[in-house]
Amino acid sequence: ETGVTQTPRHLVMGMTNKKSLKCEQHLGHNAMYWYKQSAKKPLELMFVYSLEERVENNSVPSRFSPECPNSSHLFLHLHTLQPEDSALYLCASSQYSSGGTEAFFGQGTRLTVV
Amino acid sequence: GQNIDQPTEMTATEGAIVQINCTYQTSGFNGLFWYQQHAGEAPTFLSYNVLDGLEEKGRFSSFLSRSKGYSYLLLKELQMKDSASYLCAVRDEDSGTYKYIFGTGTRLKVLA
Repeated sequence: ETGVTQTPRHLVMGMTNKKSLKCEQHLGHNAMYWYKQSAKKPLELMFVYSLEERVENNSVPSRFSPECPNSSHLFLHLHTLQPEDSALYLCASSQYSSGGTEAFFGQGTRLTVV
Repeated sequence: GQNIDQPTEMTATEGAIVQINCTYQTSGFNGLFWYQQHAGEAPTFLSYNVLDGLEEKGRFSSFLSRSKGYSYLLLKELQMKDSASYLCAVRDEDSGTYKYIFGTGTRLKVLA
């Protein structure tokens, strides 16, 4: 496999459920990101991990809990979500250095909270 | 603070040229990126500018002026498949943390 892979592609969950989103990158990058994309709003950065260490938490509610066990894998654990959390959740990876490269995105998980 | 502005929607005709503008304000500028995103799909990388000037890549070109906080994406010989959202993003460095900050995107409709 190549690139950035996210699973599942679609997820419907109730407000009392617990679920996890998974992201895997095969690009040898050392940084991974979670973004939330809602209609008519810019991509919102949620979390940044560099070398498996969280370096940014953009004031995200605690019902979203990230986990980065190694530089190739990133998870987003979800619990007691609200309907307004319904959105497209995108994972991305890049090289974390001043040299600067583009971020590569996964296909996203379309989350619907009912 | 950080702010990125771009038009919400644009319409152009097949075969024409369209320019999508982007203005930004950021404290730790570390490069500007343009992405294309078709509905329901992931953003895909189009171009990168870190120095002032024009970068050309086939039908797509991107320009940057750091002093003006301004960039544009130029699409030539438009095709129907170019109908998509175009996202302007700035890589921002703050105390050793690198983040990609995105604008809302410009939805481009290409008409026959």
